[in-house]
Amino acid sequence: KQEVTQIPAALSVPEGENLVLNCSFTDSAIYNLQWFRQDPGKGLTSLLLIQSSQREQTSGRLNASLDKSSGRSTLYIAASQPGDSATYLCTGQNFVFGPGTRLSVLP
Amino acid sequence: DAGVTQSPTHLIKTRGQQVTLRCSPKSGHDTVSWYQQALGQGPQFIFQYYEEEERQRGNFPDRFSGHQFPNYSSELNVNALLLGDSALYLCASSQSGKLYEQYFGPGTRLTVT
Repeated sequence: KQEVTQIPAALSVPEGENLVLNCSFTDSAIYNLQWFRQDPGKGLTSLLLIQSSQREQTSGRLNASLDKSSGRSTLYIAASQPGDSATYLCTGQNFVFGPGTRLSVLP
Repeated sequence: DAGVTQSPTHLIKTRGQQVTLRCSPKSGHDTVSWYQQALGQGPQFIFQYYEEEERQRGNFPDRFSGHQFPNYSSELNVNALLLGDSALYLCASSQSGKLYEQYFGPGTRLTVT
């Protein structure tokens, strides 16, 4: 049974810091991975998608990488802003989500 | 280009009642997946519909059922509601050739009293 772990569970940082969020799958056969953000009580907004032929994706201040040999992904957020405060979730191609990382960026 | 839409936004039901939630996929998408998200947890996969049939199902009882219409929109039905069914219900759409790329709607908040 696939399980997804996200570390840390919660993070509170001052504005401007660079951040690393981690996601790992018990079954390392992850070929496609998607990162989302979720604001309280809202739906999920797609941030980055890493497809089977890719190892990483970048969008603005966000960069995500996937190590397919270990089933681990990292989301890097550069120069964090208060607007980045949200819960960050990851999922693979089998629709199993992690519990999320709650991020709070303080002004 | 309309994204994924869900209705209603909020719903309050009593234990034992039945509820129907609705979802319209993003334009160009033909596959709809439903998720249940309890407070403070990640979404849990309920089932997925493609070509008007249930293609995959998560670990949810038969009280949870669904339907997909020819225009690809979908309904989630829950019978004999329990207090534990209170959650945010999320709909996601994708293309059949790229199921791993999902787009989510805003969700329906169901409260069972």
